Amino acid sequence: NAGVTQTPKFQVLKTGQSMTLQCAQDMNHNSMYWYRQDPGMGLRLIYYSASEGTTDKGEVPNGYNVSRLNKREFSLRLESAAPSQTSVYFCASSEERRRDEQFFGPGTRLTVL
Amino acid sequence: DQQVKQNSPSLSVQEGRISILNCDYTNSMFDYFLWYKKYPAEGPTFLISISSIKDKNEDGRFTVFLNKSAKHLSLHIVPSQPGDSAVYFCAARFGDQFYFGTGTSLTVIP
Repeated sequence: NAGVTQTPKFQVLKTGQSMTLQCAQDMNHNSMYWYRQDPGMGLRLIYYSASEGTTDKGEVPNGYNVSRLNKREFSLRLESAAPSQTSVYFCASSEERRRDEQFFGPGTRLTVL
Repeated sequence: DQQVKQNSPSLSVQEGRISILNCDYTNSMFDYFLWYKKYPAEGPTFLISISSIKDKNEDGRFTVFLNKSAKHLSLHIVPSQPGDSAVYFCAARFGDQFYFGTGTSLTVIP
């Protein structure tokens, strides 16, 4: 039981490049989330998916797209990376009836030069 | 505009004593409040939560208090242990959206 896994762990991009951050969970959770963590800003919600086939914007969605590929997987795409997207990205999941308890992945540290 | 605020970036406490971490919020529509703990290079882990209709929730050494009139919540850890040294995030839920504070780094001194 791996919980929530994220790939890659680290990534360096140049401005304008694109990439997809992958997230998968094996806990049969309905809800999945993408956050970014920046110094002095805490965690901010980018996008979430309440169930397979649905996605919604969070607090800071600009510059990102998401895909809920199936119940297990929720990917985050940067189409044209900018230095302001340098951050640590966390994926999380939760049961429908216990949405307060989110299970987080280990994070992806992204640097955009 | 930060809706959930943790005004103390750091806190040091002696082992065995009480740790009190504080959090303030601005949105009266939040229906759940949560605390997460984070070690370096790991994702946050859930600690404890409280519904907005309650004023206290206890789980072992951890107790969360909610004061809705003051829009304030606190996490008490008693007794504090060196393994509690981590960053603690307060968070609040409104519908499907979660808002996190900036975190308080707790150091428990042996």
